[in-house]
Amino acid sequence: QSALTQPASVSGFTGQSITISCTGSSGDFGSYNYVSWYQQHPGKAPKLMIYDVSNRPSGVSNRFSGSKSGNTASLTISGLQADDEADYYCSSYTGTSAFYVFGTGTTVTVL
Amino acid sequence: QVQLQESGPGLVKPSQTLSLTCTVSGGSIRSGSYFWSWIRQPAGKGLEWIGRIYTSGSTNFSPSLKSRVTISLDTSKNRFSLKLSSVTAADTAVYYCTRSAILQRRFDDWGQGTLVTVSS
Repeated sequence: QSALTQPASVSGFTGQSITISCTGSSGDFGSYNYVSWYQQHPGKAPKLMIYDVSNRPSGVSNRFSGSKSGNTASLTISGLQADDEADYYCSSYTGTSAFYVFGTGTTVTVL
Repeated sequence: QVQLQESGPGLVKPSQTLSLTCTVSGGSIRSGSYFWSWIRQPAGKGLEWIGRIYTSGSTNFSPSLKSRVTISLDTSKNRFSLKLSSVTAADTAVYYCTRSAILQRRFDDWGQGTLVTVSS
């Protein structure tokens, strides 16, 4: 099972919006909407930001939103802030023997 | 609030078995409301799911690691463990333990991670 494809880097100015894509095959996403997104600051553990494509856990800012169309999921960060500078990983539950697949990761830089 | 803490040797020799433990506090590992996973991340690279265990003891593993992985529960000590046999340099990574709500397909809570280096 190959990793989901994400852009290596995305940047934006403070206050702007950015979108990170996560592309896979139909087999990666299956017939489910089990896409989640994780934020990882340097030297820290990943943190769940979005689950089931578009749901936010309690405590996560509503500046973070998710969507999915076909074989591409997306994470949008609006009102970009300095603390949003981190690596972001998508993940999908495949429903196959591979179970879970992660994306290649995207480094977000706040200009 | 639940906390997960990985522990184990930071250095393992090639061909030997990597053994890590995840100690859970603030919640019972016997709760049928969760399942427990291991995920790893080589330096500068992405995340890789290793496997998971349910309270029942049922396990699932990544196909690429299945032949070398064992995950077990120790309910008396509220912890679960990972064993990875026949390690090589490619197994050098930060290893995370996680907790997920049952029937969900996300990783809700993470340990801080522990670096394991495979080297002679």
